[in-house]
Amino acid sequence: DGGITQSPKYLFRKEGQNVTLSCEQNLNHDAMYWYRQDPGQGLRLIYYSQIVNDFQKGDIAEGYSVSREKKESFPLTVTSAQKNPTAFYLCASSMVGVAGANVLTFGAGSRLTVL
Amino acid sequence: AQSVSQHNHHVILSEAASLELGCNYSYGGTVNLFWYVQYPGQHLQLLLKYFSGDPLVKGIKGFEAEFIKSKFSFNLRKPSVQWSDTAEYFCAVIRSGGYQKVTFGTGTKLQVIP
Repeated sequence: DGGITQSPKYLFRKEGQNVTLSCEQNLNHDAMYWYRQDPGQGLRLIYYSQIVNDFQKGDIAEGYSVSREKKESFPLTVTSAQKNPTAFYLCASSMVGVAGANVLTFGAGSRLTVL
Repeated sequence: AQSVSQHNHHVILSEAASLELGCNYSYGGTVNLFWYVQYPGQHLQLLLKYFSGDPLVKGIKGFEAEFIKSKFSFNLRKPSVQWSDTAEYFCAVIRSGGYQKVTFGTGTKLQVIP
């Protein structure tokens, strides 16, 4: 079945450690996104990418980094510079440039807890 | 920058009551509008979308939404809710065309009491 796989589902890390969250899609979607979900704040965009080797900062990119070396993969690194990294992280993908594009398909999410 | 406002943060209804969740956006140009739903323990999924044409759009599970351009609104409605509609609902907007990003509202938690 086509979809988005995020791993790990749960992750615990100590303060000061970088963490990388994996996101893989087999939908042949061009665009991929990372959102952060916090209670009462909805989904906030961290980074997005519409083509390989190109990505754009979202609304809350500070303390995060991404790469897009392959169409299928869009890993997110939560660095030690992120002041409040404990959150639920959602990866999504969509088609681009066709009718019906911009409809997002989401992964199951990764819950990061920094101790 | 575009933004989305959802004014109802937590709504509690009895089964069979009617539902209307408000959504307003700030961008004045052409937009695509969405409602997504997150059922407990499940992925976020698309409920309905508006791209163009008839401003009254119908989605899954009996939900509908009306795009009112003059009010910058895209309110979600359902005539009679069920306990299984308990979920968190998110409105989202994207500017049409170009290299754009999807912006979400803060979400509305709906609790339906049997």
